Amino acid sequence: AQKITQTQPGMFVQEKEAVTLDCTYDTSDQSYGLFWYKQPSSGEMIFLIYQGSYDEQNATEGRYSLNFQKARKSANLVISASQLGDSAMYFCAINNAGNMLTFGGGTRLMVKP
Amino acid sequence: DADVTQTPRNRITKTGKRIMLECSQTKGHDRMYWYRQDPGLGLRLIYYSFDVKDINKGEISDGYSVSRQAQAKFSLSLESAIPNQTALYFCATSDSGTSHATDTQYFGPGTRLTVL
Repeated sequence: AQKITQTQPGMFVQEKEAVTLDCTYDTSDQSYGLFWYKQPSSGEMIFLIYQGSYDEQNATEGRYSLNFQKARKSANLVISASQLGDSAMYFCAINNAGNMLTFGGGTRLMVKP
Repeated sequence: DADVTQTPRNRITKTGKRIMLECSQTKGHDRMYWYRQDPGLGLRLIYYSFDVKDINKGEISDGYSVSRQAQAKFSLSLESAIPNQTALYFCATSDSGTSHATDTQYFGPGTRLTVL
């Protein structure tokens, strides 16, 4: 069984500052993928970034980067230069060989002007 | 136009009614999924289908059924709705690639279902 833990129910960040959202995972699979999704108040789930378990480089996608520490089983999302539109729920998820996605409980990020 | 569409977007119904939620995609993906999200929680998998002839139960399939009418269409039914099925329902699709990267799931806008 796989598990995702997001220990920060809510976070504040000042506009234009960087913020790190924590994600730790547990899996017995050797090959897996880690994903981050954003859910604004409108409700849709928006794919942000992906990290493969065998990728040696940390994934980056615009202002989003993933701090992947395999030995610690952590895959933290870093958002640089926060914007007001970044205020949303953020979910970390892991998939296995069968592509079953398991989600964490989410972190609510609030960007202050 | 959106790649993954869900209808209806909102639905209020009564206990015991049969409800169907529909999902269509234009991404050309083979794989489709149904999830539910309860307030303040992450998503949980209800059913998934890797092609038209392949249907599988997810974590919480009790009380639900699905139909994969075509590669692009995957519907979720609640045969006899009950109040604890009140939730936000998402359809998702992914490619049938050979790596986890190509298995990235893309979500529809969600259907907000309320069972009174």
